[in-house]
Amino acid sequence: DAGITQSPRHKVTETGTPVTLRCHQTENHRYMYWYRQDPGHGLRLIHYSYGVKDTDKGEVSDGYSVSRSKTEDFLLTLESATSSQTSVYFCAISESWANEQYFGPGTRLTVT
Amino acid sequence: GIQVEQSPPDLILQEGANSTLRCNFSDSVNNLQWFHQNPWGQLINLFYIPSGTKQNGRLSATTVATERYSLLYISSSQTTDSGVYFCAVDKAAGNKLTFGGGTRVLVKP
Repeated sequence: DAGITQSPRHKVTETGTPVTLRCHQTENHRYMYWYRQDPGHGLRLIHYSYGVKDTDKGEVSDGYSVSRSKTEDFLLTLESATSSQTSVYFCAISESWANEQYFGPGTRLTVT
Repeated sequence: GIQVEQSPPDLILQEGANSTLRCNFSDSVNNLQWFHQNPWGQLINLFYIPSGTKQNGRLSATTVATERYSLLYISSSQTTDSGVYFCAVDKAAGNKLTFGGGTRVLVKP
């Protein structure tokens, strides 16, 4: 199994608070991704990174920001959490754009 | 953006049966992957298969890129094959996957 961890695994937070989710990999892969999974919408890409300090937006990036200061860590921040951001968040990695993508265990976030 | 349609949406199998899952996509792609999400939520990569045929144990996949579809075959199904199978594609470089809606498979003992 690819070495990908996500923290926290579960979080409950209140509307309006900032939240940061962390993805950590031990594979030294260049590409990292954040997805959210919701019933009826499947998995959708939020942001991705193609190297340290190199990030770009995905399909559903509004309300989210990311940072990648080290190869192994990719952070997802919800600036001011809303109930619509209640979801399961998955991090993924790949060695290149033409390789398999491997997923972390997910973080279940509930915004009340 | 690109559309990804999977069929059937639900599939119930008796243990030992074979099945075929289909993924249709609306535009040319340079990246297609199949994933299995187990009942505990973990997403496992099954195949990276932008074209051609691959096999891994009881699973195999074929992508016909010119006709914009891919097939996932499950042979001699086991209860551990239960879960949701996703097809995901990207039409540009970057591995920025667009997922289909999935096929939910239940294998009964």
